[in-house]
Amino acid sequence: EAEVAQSPRYKITEKSQAVAFWCDPISGHATLYWYRQILGQGPELLVQFQDESVVDDSQLPKDRFSAERLKGVDSTLKIQPAELGDSAMYLCASSWGTDLQETQYFGPGTRLLVL
Amino acid sequence: GQQVMQIPQYQHVQEGEDFTTYCNSSTTLSNIQWYKQRPGGHPVFLIQLVKSGEVKKQKRLTFQFGEAKKNSSLHITATQTTDVGTYFCAGGDSSYKLIFGSGTRLLVRP
Repeated sequence: EAEVAQSPRYKITEKSQAVAFWCDPISGHATLYWYRQILGQGPELLVQFQDESVVDDSQLPKDRFSAERLKGVDSTLKIQPAELGDSAMYLCASSWGTDLQETQYFGPGTRLLVL
Repeated sequence: GQQVMQIPQYQHVQEGEDFTTYCNSSTTLSNIQWYKQRPGGHPVFLIQLVKSGEVKKQKRLTFQFGEAKKNSSLHITATQTTDVGTYFCAGGDSSYKLIFGSGTRLLVRP
């Protein structure tokens, strides 16, 4: 069964450093999401792509976070500089289209710890 | 902004007992989805409800969507240790994105 791939699975960094996370969605899925999940809370949408275009990045802290999906396939989420409060699980998900009634398939996530 | 509240935060049951988690939205939802996240894992889609008053069943799991499309529930009959995890509801809002609840963590004593 096809899965969403993410790397790295774990990342430890010091504050003020730059970090980057990679996501490869299920083949053929046009929509890609990046979520942040703080321990004990539900996932919070950071950015949504439809192919290579950003559909929603209203919750993305743009002063330090950036995301791209240049060829409409895989995607990178970057944080620069990282802050202590960025420690969380970063989840990538994908779906066939933008219809809310479509299932989102989540990857295993990248667990970030900022020291 | 829209909020999706979920209660209880934790539920600790004896194996064989029933379990229910409730989800409430401050606004009318277009749909609601339920996900399960095992400890250390990622959310896995369980089901989607779209119609007002809709009820769906998956073996021991029963999902309901309220008549006003502002609340939902997940009921598990006769829990098993394999049911352990955090159950999230996620509501579709007017801006076409999913808003996740804070989740209910289920612990099952064998």
